[in-house]
Amino acid sequence: AQSVAQPEDQVNVAEGNPLTVKCTYSVSGNPYLFWYVQYPNRGLQFLLKYITGDNLVKGSYGFEAEFNKSQTSFHLKKPSALVSDSALYFCAVRVTGFQKLVFGTGTRLLVSP
Amino acid sequence: DGGITQSPKYLFRKEGQNVTLSCEQNLNHDAMYWYRQDPGQGLRLIYYSQIVNDFQKGDIAEGYSVSREKKESFPLTVTSAQKNPTAFYLCASSARDRASNEQFFGPGTRLTVL
Repeated sequence: AQSVAQPEDQVNVAEGNPLTVKCTYSVSGNPYLFWYVQYPNRGLQFLLKYITGDNLVKGSYGFEAEFNKSQTSFHLKKPSALVSDSALYFCAVRVTGFQKLVFGTGTRLLVSP
Repeated sequence: DGGITQSPKYLFRKEGQNVTLSCEQNLNHDAMYWYRQDPGQGLRLIYYSQIVNDFQKGDIAEGYSVSREKKESFPLTVTSAQKNPTAFYLCASSARDRASNEQFFGPGTRLTVL
């Protein structure tokens, strides 16, 4: 079975500091990994995905994520956080042959001025 | 949220009533999905459709029904059989139902049972 874990319910960071939002996964087969962001009372916005190739994936709004196969992780990072980055972040995984995109429970990012 | 519209944004239902949530996309996507979001939980798949006139149950299909008569439209009906329907409902679409394709989400409908 596929599963995704986001071990932190909330991450607090000061504006200008680097941020990391953690995600680990468990799948049988090669994973396709995604990060989405959700602002209050809005739908999810796609940030980036890992399919294959370079382990460092760059996405929207200056975010990037590093795929680590040995640690089964796909952590989301940004070198310098903005207050406007405050939102709910979801990691998701899917495997070829399975018809479901599995989401983590989400991590709330709070960036303080 | 561009390309996918959901209506209404807020919906109130009395117990025993069926309600239908609208989802329309102009992205020419073949695949469409309905998810339910509850506080502190990830998104859970209700139904999905890979092509017109075809759909499959997701993890929590009981008490819900869908139709896919047009490529652009994938309405969700929440029936009176759904015991706890108060939630945020999200519709999504992707070009094809492939594992590598990202899904694009609508703005959501918040359903409250009175």
